[in-house]
Formats: sequence, structure tokens, C-alpha cells
Amino acid sequence: DAKTTQPPSMDCAEGRAANLPCNHSTISGNEYVYWYRQIHSQGPQYIIHGLKNNETNEMASLIITEDRKSSTLILPHATLRDTAVYYCIVRVAGGNAGNMLTFGGGTRLMVKP
Amino acid sequence: GAVVSQHPSRVICKSGTSVKIECRSLDFQATTMFWYRQFPKKSLMLMATSNEGSKATYEQGVEKDKFLINHASLTLSTLTVTSAHPEDSSFYICSARDNSAEAFFGQGTRLTVV
Repeated sequence: DAKTTQPPSMDCAEGRAANLPCNHSTISGNEYVYWYRQIHSQGPQYIIHGLKNNETNEMASLIITEDRKSSTLILPHATLRDTAVYYCIVRVAGGNAGNMLTFGGGTRLMVKP
Repeated sequence: GAVVSQHPSRVICKSGTSVKIECRSLDFQATTMFWYRQFPKKSLMLMATSNEGSKATYEQGVEKDKFLINHASLTLSTLTVTSAHPEDSSFYICSARDNSAEAFFGQGTRLTVV
């Protein structure tokens, strides 16, 4: 799986949009971009994933650059409960090898009142 | 999303004893389950991949005789930490794959060995 690079930490004001960047310059054509988050002392929670088109769901939006070498996770209106470590992971979808998630350092997002 | 239940959420055991952690997929059949370990302020590290009905595949540096994994059914995998020592104290997390090939995580188990 391709390696990702994320800033170790970010702050965001409550109610504002949180934009979390991720670089994945060595991503392959068949690799998806996945985002998970981990709230303190809990298991990771799936947020969103995409291949090349921008994606949106009830939790967040995922913006992937045209060259697919980077992406941004957007939490449109951050709340205090969004404080967590956010992991950007790239992997091949499907097949046993692709189902193993390799976690990097992630970004520790602190949402402040 | 699918639900993965992990039990217990916390356990304290004496050094030298064994501890079993259960991981259940509640509303789907999981042919593959993964076990991770996480130390404080560190990321998740994959320990082993467990396939139903076959032996687990361990990552380099993980002792298979110390961390026994059993995946006897499509909804249950267990991790047993044998002869636990204080350095085994950690947060253990399981993950299960459903037919969509997505990964869902349990709530984690905090093990403290005293």
C-alpha cells in the first residue's frame, strides 16, 4: 500500500470547517483513499473513501486532486466531538491483501470552543 | 455500517496469567479478521490476520505462541495473550471484513498487566 503523509496535529474552532490534508504521491491507479478517525480509547471509525471523484456523506466530504497525489477531508461544521486522530490510508479495494489497513501517524485534530 | 463487538473493553490481569479477548461480527459474516495493538500516543500496529477455519498469519516480530488467535466461526475470533507480562499492557483492537471488503473495527480492549 502507498505511504501517506499527514500533519501530526491541527486545531479548529468549533463550528468552523476542519480541512485535513493528506499527501499520497505514490498512489497507484487501483488504490482508493480511505479516511478513518479514532476518538480517544475507542476503535477506529470509518468516515469516507474515494477513488478519484469527490465524495460526500453525512459525516464529511473528500476532495481528491486531479492527479490523485493528495486529498483533503472536510468536516464542514466541526464540533467538540470531532476531536480525534484522523487517519488517511490508501489501499486496493477488494481481495484479502487489500483489506489489511496500514495506519500511519494520522492527524490529531483538536476542536476548540 | 456493520457492527463489530469486542469484549471485554477493559481487563486487568496478574503477570503470568492468560487473557482472552473476543471479537464478534454482529450482523455480518467475517471471513477475515485482523488484530491490532496500539501503545499510548502511537498508531495501530497490525499483529495478525485471521481467516476462518485456518491458521492466523502473524506479522514479523509478533510471537504466535504468545498471542494465540482462533477464528473458529464466521462471526467470532479470539485473541489470547498467554503468560502476560507488564510489557503486554496495551490497547488491542480487532477489525472484521464483510463481503463488501470494507473493514469495521471493534471498540478495543485495554489490557493492563500488573
